[in-house]
Amino acid sequence: GAVVSQHPSWVICKSGTSVKIECRSLDFQATTMFWYRQFPKQSLMLMATSNEGSKATYEQGVEKDKFLINHASLTLSTLTVTSAHPEDSSFYICSAREPFSGELFFGEGSRLTVL
Amino acid sequence: AQRVTQPEKLLSVFKGAPVELKCNYSYSGSPELFWYVQYSRQRLQLLLRHISRESIKGFTADLNKGETSFHLKKPFAQEEDSAMYYCALSGSGNTGKLIFGQGTTLQVKP
Repeated sequence: GAVVSQHPSWVICKSGTSVKIECRSLDFQATTMFWYRQFPKQSLMLMATSNEGSKATYEQGVEKDKFLINHASLTLSTLTVTSAHPEDSSFYICSAREPFSGELFFGEGSRLTVL
Repeated sequence: AQRVTQPEKLLSVFKGAPVELKCNYSYSGSPELFWYVQYSRQRLQLLLRHISRESIKGFTADLNKGETSFHLKKPFAQEEDSAMYYCALSGSGNTGKLIFGQGTTLQVKP
């Protein structure tokens, strides 16, 4: 099946710094990718829809200036957590939509810890 | 409002026993329902979708619009079925956006 890769899988940063997480579709082109956040032992919460070549669409309650999303190519979307604080610590998961089947393929997730 | 509810956080059964993971949804239109599975230390992956009406790894799920349910069933659980299972809903418009339930951990004991 199709593969979606996230990098880094684990990152620790100091409070106030910015962190970038990459999501790549390795063997297909994805005009649409999605970013989720998952708190411990909780469900995945959709943060935003990343659209290639246009602005991301954010879900209600998600700060777009805090969580910058860029989808500059058909195989790469990035999520930048700006001025990170400890409450931003979480597991971030992306998914990419395979265009022919419409099926979503998920990345392995990126764990962010803000000290 | 769109919502997916999985009432059980943990379901523990013995190998060979039947399994039913419950999922109820709230959506005003015609949703598409999915079950995703996450095995230990692996990524989330699609198990089945209601429009396919297929059986994957012995699991089936039927969409009951009257009861707004999409329960996942398997007649005889196997130890390798132990995993986290998420029910998810995609609304009309084929946007690909998914609303996930809280997830149910299935534990199959030997």
